[in-house]
Amino acid sequence: DGGITQSPKYLFRKEGQNVTLSCEQNLNHDAMYWYRQDPGQGLRLIYYSQIVNDFQKGDIAEGYSVSREKKESFPLTVTSAQKNPTAFYLCASASSPYNEQFFGPGTRLTVL
Amino acid sequence: GENVEQHPSTLSVQEGDSAVIKCTYSDSASNYFPWYKQELGKRPQLIIDIRSNVGEKKDQRIAVTLNKTAKHFSLHITETQPEDSAVYFCAASRDDKIIFGKGTRLHILP
Repeated sequence: DGGITQSPKYLFRKEGQNVTLSCEQNLNHDAMYWYRQDPGQGLRLIYYSQIVNDFQKGDIAEGYSVSREKKESFPLTVTSAQKNPTAFYLCASASSPYNEQFFGPGTRLTVL
Repeated sequence: GENVEQHPSTLSVQEGDSAVIKCTYSDSASNYFPWYKQELGKRPQLIIDIRSNVGEKKDQRIAVTLNKTAKHFSLHITETQPEDSAVYFCAASRDDKIIFGKGTRLHILP
């Protein structure tokens, strides 16, 4: 469980505001991922990054943005363009795409 | 793109019985198939994985089988225990992208 952290645990924002979710890992992993988890929907991939300064869109990237300026950090911004942002967001990291992903504890975002 | 279907969405089994969860995938180039367990209020954790050059893998009470021709893979849990109650996710991966199934909620009945 240790080695990958997300903050904050709970986040409340007003509609129309952008919000940034933090994800940090000290596992020296190259790959990092952002997922959205809604009841009955499983884990849906938002963005992923295999190396610093490079990232790719997942299946539900619209309304989200990311950066990967440092190996340890992969912040996710939920923009006002995201139609239904209230959800549980999970970050994960892995040494490679074909190895175990280690998940953070998650951030529950509520947009009021 | 890849699509992963997982069945059933909910499964209830008597303690001590076996549980089977099945997944199908669409992209024949997928070559890595992990299974994650998520207990209530906790983060997902890998319980077993299989690569496309292997047909079956076992770890104590847990086993996974892969049929590349039919493009399906299954999780088998034997001698189920109360601590097996959780949501289980299958996934399929090729290159650098991974797609998860929608999950199966497993209830172990006393």
